[in-house]
Amino acid sequence: GDSVTQTEGQVALSEEDFLTIHCNYSASGYPALFWYVQYPGEGPQFLFRASRDKEKGSSRGFEATYDKGTTSFHLRKASVQESDSAVYYCALGDPGNYAQGLTFGLGTRVSVFP
Amino acid sequence: AQTIHQWPVAEIKAVGSPLSLGCTIKGKSSPNLYWYWQATGGTLQQLFYSITVGQVESVVQLNLSASRPKDDQFILSTEKLLLSHSGFYLCAWRDRGHGVFFGKGTRLTVV
Repeated sequence: GDSVTQTEGQVALSEEDFLTIHCNYSASGYPALFWYVQYPGEGPQFLFRASRDKEKGSSRGFEATYDKGTTSFHLRKASVQESDSAVYYCALGDPGNYAQGLTFGLGTRVSVFP
Repeated sequence: AQTIHQWPVAEIKAVGSPLSLGCTIKGKSSPNLYWYWQATGGTLQQLFYSITVGQVESVVQLNLSASRPKDDQFILSTEKLLLSHSGFYLCAWRDRGHGVFFGKGTRLTVV
């Protein structure tokens, strides 16, 4: 079945550091790709999505580009703040099967220190 | 704007006791609705989805059941809780053009 792999389980950074979280996917079709952020005690929040090769999604200073060749959708932010501390999830969905939900990666816990 | 409300916010229940969690969405007609479960520190596991009243599809068997009694309501339940049912339960709806949007969740502790 379809799956998402996030390479980093945890990332620790200082404020103004550059953040990269690697996300690779495995899918039989042409999935839509998503990034979510989850703060402690809350439900995940949608960041952005991309649905075709070379499409860039972005929100709140975060961005990722859909790369069908490398089956990747890596999340990047140029300068993180302490408020960016959260768990980030990469996810995929089948646009041809709207009824189904999304498949999520294991998540990456980002801790940003002042 | 769409709003999704989950209840209760948190529950502490005994092993073997029944459970009912609810979710209501407003501002969206005939939404696709989902239940997800998240173990502490874990990822999001889809449990059920429903595209219309009275129809629910199971994705993962966890000795739970779900029902959709109204267009805007989704219920998760079980007659006998297990310790393994502890976790964070999230209701969500899907926007065709964007993604899946989650409620604030219910924290369940089974003791």
